[in-house]
Amino acid sequence: EVQLVQSGAEVKKPGESLKISCKGSGNTFTKYWIGWVRQRPGKGLEWMGIVYPADSDTRYSPSFQGQVTISADKSISTAYLQWSSLKASDTAMYYCARRVSNGEYMDVWGKGTSVTVSS
Amino acid sequence: QTVVTQEPSFSVSPGGTVTLTCGLSSGSVSTNYYPSWYQQTPGQAPRTLIYNTNTHSSGVPDRFSGSILGNKAALTITGAQADDESDYYCVLYMGGGIWVFGGGTKLTVL
Repeated sequence: EVQLVQSGAEVKKPGESLKISCKGSGNTFTKYWIGWVRQRPGKGLEWMGIVYPADSDTRYSPSFQGQVTISADKSISTAYLQWSSLKASDTAMYYCARRVSNGEYMDVWGKGTSVTVSS
Repeated sequence: QTVVTQEPSFSVSPGGTVTLTCGLSSGSVSTNYYPSWYQQTPGQAPRTLIYNTNTHSSGVPDRFSGSILGNKAALTITGAQADDESDYYCVLYMGGGIWVFGGGTKLTVL
């Protein structure tokens, strides 16, 4: 069974940098795009962007372009989401999910990484 | 900017049928948007229910079904059960690796 294992919860201060990860199990990681989804406390899901680990092709939602960086390291089957300077408004749960191109949907989800940004 | 619309809340009686919808602020939803539906209970990751308008994800009960109704995508729950009480999100594919989530519908079963 394919799984996406996300890194643990983070507590950071405004202005700090952060990189969270999403590691895929199995040997098919490079065959699928991996997306990132934000959920602020008590709010809905928001699509952030997606990366293709095989060649690191990346696409961003216009709302998140320039705000975060999405990347991947295919050698260790891991996708990343990073911030160079966190803001309190980045406080949220972040989910990674695997995209299935045939049907354009996400079939496997990570359990989420909680990020808290507070002074 | 594209806005995907969903009813903020809905309630259904146990055993009843409810249809949640997913529209666009401008235009109609068609199969070309590959509408998909996700269920989320508090503290849990989303669970994929329906994709490509009306295809069940593995293990999803048949009481969940997807369709296009008029100019919207729809998720119908037939014979609602207590554990269907969740938040439901639709997502539309805009092309170019970009998806847009609806705001979600909080379903109460009572």
